[in-house]
Amino acid sequence: DIVITQDELSNPVTSGESVSISCRSSKSLLYKDGKTYLNWFLQRPGQSPQLLIYLMSTRASGVSDRFSGSGSGTDFTLEISRVKAEDVGVYYCQQLVEYPYTFGGGTKLEIK
Amino acid sequence: EVLLQQSGPELVKPGASVKIPCKASGYTFTDYNMDWVKQSHGKSLEWIGDINPNNGGTIYNQKFKGKATLTVDKSSSTAYMELRSLTSEDTAVYYCARGYWFAYWGQGTLVTVSA
Repeated sequence: DIVITQDELSNPVTSGESVSISCRSSKSLLYKDGKTYLNWFLQRPGQSPQLLIYLMSTRASGVSDRFSGSGSGTDFTLEISRVKAEDVGVYYCQQLVEYPYTFGGGTKLEIK
Repeated sequence: EVLLQQSGPELVKPGASVKIPCKASGYTFTDYNMDWVKQSHGKSLEWIGDINPNNGGTIYNQKFKGKATLTVDKSSSTAYMELRSLTSEDTAVYYCARGYWFAYWGQGTLVTVSA
């Protein structure tokens, strides 16, 4: 199975600052169609996960342009600019390039 | 509006089975696979498997083969996941999510396995 690794954030973030969340895959998520099959989700406390980014860098419908995704075949970053209180929660990345789909362990975002 | 409506919490005894529904609305049910995801308390997400509502074809995470069975009822636009031979390790929230990017999720069903 593809292993997805996410780091913890070292410190809470101040509102208005920017933050980068990283995600690494044990195998390239670049498929032969040229697309990279990585999703980003935010799970707010007590809620279901919400899709933020799919195909590594495409924002889902209705998602703020403060969220952006980038990366290569195995290393990925979710950037959140001008962090707000509503961004608090756990961020997960997920690979969909092969079965079984796998998720990272999550990165918790806290606001000072 | 796309909605995936799941049932309320379940308290089940060890060794028993439970069948969780996920009723879809707001889109054509047969246009998208339905995926299922497990989240144990305070932990990350595990993909269980998915089902093609057109033909009932399924793909399972090897870890959940023998534990979970996915089915659909096209007439009611409802997907089901049955979990059997339940143990304490199966206590978790189970989500259905619409396939193709997991853009829509149900609200989750908490299954608690306890005597």
